[in-house]
Amino acid sequence: SAVISQKPSRDICQRGTSLTIQCQVDSQVTMMFWYRQQPGQSLTLIATANQGSEATYESGFVIDKFPISRPNLTFSTLTVSNMSPEDSSIYLCSVAENTEAFFGQGTRLTVV
Amino acid sequence: GENVEQHPSTLSVQEGDSAVIKCTYSDSASNYFPWYKQELGKRPQLIIDIRSNVGEKKDQRIAVTLNKTAKHFSLHITETQPEDSAVYFCAAVNDYKLSFGAGTTVTVRA
Repeated sequence: SAVISQKPSRDICQRGTSLTIQCQVDSQVTMMFWYRQQPGQSLTLIATANQGSEATYESGFVIDKFPISRPNLTFSTLTVSNMSPEDSSIYLCSVAENTEAFFGQGTRLTVV
Repeated sequence: GENVEQHPSTLSVQEGDSAVIKCTYSDSASNYFPWYKQELGKRPQLIIDIRSNVGEKKDQRIAVTLNKTAKHFSLHITETQPEDSAVYFCAAVNDYKLSFGAGTTVTVRA
């Protein structure tokens, strides 16, 4: 299975600022995804990170708020822009191999 | 899009008893159904999965059943142990994208 390194593991940020989360995979993967897990909640798909083209966003998520880069098949970034306390969540990157999904260790974001 | 419902939201069982979690899904195109266990502060970990061409799968104390006609699938944990205490998520997969249930917090009482 793919080994996924995600950083930072946690951060405390001021409202109005932006944070970029990085996801590095140890092998080339076609499908990469970004999920959000709000406190005590389930996981919600933010977007599919497409290599070489714009990310595909799910309903309720927009590029201006969550810009995503995918420069190659092993790396992606998610930026949480103009943060507010409501953005306090765990953000997880995920890769799919043979229909199975594997997750990074997550980034615990607290916005104050 | 896919909608996955999961019940119950909390489940408390005596050690050694069985635990059952049920999920339903809405999109008949979903063809893969994984279950994840998430311990406090950790990432979700895949514990068992089932594909749409299989009705039942077992791995030691854990089993999953799937009824495609009714669009529901269930997780069964037998002989529960304290280390089974965690949040469990079901998911339905369509085109590699996971739609998760709301989660079940399982507490195993010693």
